[in-house]
Amino acid sequence: KQEVTQIPAALSVPEGENLVLNCSFTDSAIYNLQWFRQDPGKGLTSLLLIQSSQREQTSGRLNASLDKSSGRSTLYIAASQPGDSATYLCAPNRVESNDYKLSFGAGTTVTVRA
Amino acid sequence: DGGITQSPKYLFRKEGQNVTLSCEQNLNHDAMYWYRQDPGQGLRLIYYSQIVNDFQKGDIAEGYSVSREKKESFPLTVTSAQKNPTAFYLCASSVAKTGRGETQYFGPGTRLLVL
Repeated sequence: KQEVTQIPAALSVPEGENLVLNCSFTDSAIYNLQWFRQDPGKGLTSLLLIQSSQREQTSGRLNASLDKSSGRSTLYIAASQPGDSATYLCAPNRVESNDYKLSFGAGTTVTVRA
Repeated sequence: DGGITQSPKYLFRKEGQNVTLSCEQNLNHDAMYWYRQDPGQGLRLIYYSQIVNDFQKGDIAEGYSVSREKKESFPLTVTSAQKNPTAFYLCASSVAKTGRGETQYFGPGTRLLVL
């Protein structure tokens, strides 16, 4: 069973600082990994999907790295803004009984202070 | 606008009652999913369906049931057998019938509370 850990559980930074969010997973046999954003009381929004053959994926101020063999992914957010305040969830995608299934971490809750 | 809708936003269940959560998508996606989210925990998969008239149990299916009679609809019933139903329920969908790990798109969620 895939276990996903996200550290830290919460993070508070001043505006403009770069954010580093860590994700580790126990089963390295993944197909890809997704990072999501969740605002309080809302659904999830997909930020980045990184394939198992990739080392990095970038979208605007966001950059995700993946080290599949060591079971780690990191999400970098450059020049943080108050609008980046949210919970960020990591979800590696495993194959089980020929189906692809996401396993989710509990998330890192980010607060960016103006 | 294309997307996933869930209703109601809040749902109250009485002891021994079955309740049904609605999930509709107009993205023409083949695969649909139901997850449960509890405070301080990651999302857990309840049921999923990759094609109409077919669905599979996820990691925590006990006390829940689903149907997939139409491509765009995947309702979830929380039965009286589910002893701890209070949670935030999220529906998602993705493109591929094969489920080849494509991006999942999520609805806004339904919060279920027990009276």
